[in-house]
Amino acid sequence: ETGVTQSPTHLIKTRGQQVTLRCSSQSGHNTVSWYQQALGQGPQFIFQYYREEENGRGNFPPRFSGLQFPNYSSELNVNALELDDSALYLCASSFSGGGRNEQFFGPGTRLTVL
Amino acid sequence: DQQVKQNSPSLSVQEGRISILNCDYTNSMFDYFLWYKKYPAEGPTFLISISSIKDKNEDGRFTVFLNKSAKHLSLHIVPSQPGDSAVYFCAASALGGNTGKLIFGQGTTLQVKP
Repeated sequence: ETGVTQSPTHLIKTRGQQVTLRCSSQSGHNTVSWYQQALGQGPQFIFQYYREEENGRGNFPPRFSGLQFPNYSSELNVNALELDDSALYLCASSFSGGGRNEQFFGPGTRLTVL
Repeated sequence: DQQVKQNSPSLSVQEGRISILNCDYTNSMFDYFLWYKKYPAEGPTFLISISSIKDKNEDGRFTVFLNKSAKHLSLHIVPSQPGDSAVYFCAASALGGNTGKLIFGQGTTLQVKP
């Protein structure tokens, strides 16, 4: 069974640029969630995708957008990067339904905005 | 508004003793709770979960206790091992809602001394 993978591992961008982060979900999972983790904080929910549609969004501006593909993999896009966007971006996959909510995380993408 | 709080930033215990990590929440709609462990440069690893219809769940050395009236949960690790040294996050979700987003606490750094 393949776990959650993310690419790239590290990324350096400058303010105003755009970035795309990628995530492959765990086999058998149909839901992908994205989180932002700032240094010394817990992960913060950005949004979730289920059946290729956004299924809930946290307190993040519209320049944060995403996609889910038919194979359940996902992308996170961030436009007009700001210095405060520097963080660890985590993708988590899960299976929706069954009264449980265990989400399994990838290793994350470390984004630095200069 | 911090809906999930871990008030102890750090905890140090001796190998073989019990580690108790605490978490408080404010939202009475939360009905599913999880604990994750995180090593540096890795994504969070799922440890154990509990539904609000239970007050205890056990898995090997890990036990989670839920006190709904106090809006408090705790993770017990017995016996503690040096490999348990990591940052521990509690997380909560409201499965009755439309999204499975997880709300995380700030984390507690556990150090287990040999």
